[in-house]
Amino acid sequence: QVQLRESGPRLVKPSETLSLICTVSGDSISNYYLTWIRQPPGKGLEYIGYTRYNGRTNYNPSLMGRVTLSVDTSNNQLSLRLTSVTDVDTAVYFCATIGGTGYVDDWGQGTLVIVSS
Amino acid sequence: DIVMTQSPDSLAVSLGERATINCKSSQSVLLNSDSELAWYQQKPGQPPRLLIYLASTRASGVPDRFSGSGSGTDFTLTISGLQAEDVAIYYCMQYYTSPRTFGQGTRLEIK
Repeated sequence: QVQLRESGPRLVKPSETLSLICTVSGDSISNYYLTWIRQPPGKGLEYIGYTRYNGRTNYNPSLMGRVTLSVDTSNNQLSLRLTSVTDVDTAVYFCATIGGTGYVDDWGQGTLVIVSS
Repeated sequence: DIVMTQSPDSLAVSLGERATINCKSSQSVLLNSDSELAWYQQKPGQPPRLLIYLASTRASGVPDRFSGSGSGTDFTLTISGLQAEDVAIYYCMQYYTSPRTFGQGTRLEIK
């Protein structure tokens, strides 16, 4: 079964760029659509976007212009860049695979990112 | 965006009894004959776990006490014979269109 692990800085300053990596193991990343989802502390789930190795992407309009997803097939990694962060971007960020016609299937454990000066 | 509304927000059920969680979408999520609706279980400190997709298909390894039903805009997750390990927050999610959207969550506790 595919496994996913998120990594990146725990603390990001306001107005700076949040950058996270999701490392996929157990299978080729090229076999999947992949997604990022975030969850502010104590709150619900928010879809960020999805991507595939061929460059096809879809972003949540609420984050449009600030978010970029990309795939590095040579390292089996998915990346997330979110620019101009504010405190509302403080959340646990999950990467996950997409199954079937679009449900979120296998999830990473998530990584907490705090936006604070 | 499609708005997903769950009810109730929280629920307390006795061990061995049935728990029912509802989810309503602001527009139909029916694609051909399939409803693009999934259910997730999230325990504290853990990522969500896929329980149900296509409104009623159990994911691999999910106990058969979990069942999903509904079509179009109204959906139900039923847990028959509640066990202590089922204490969690449950979310529905539509994947009919982007952006994918989630319900606000239903917290399930033991009475």
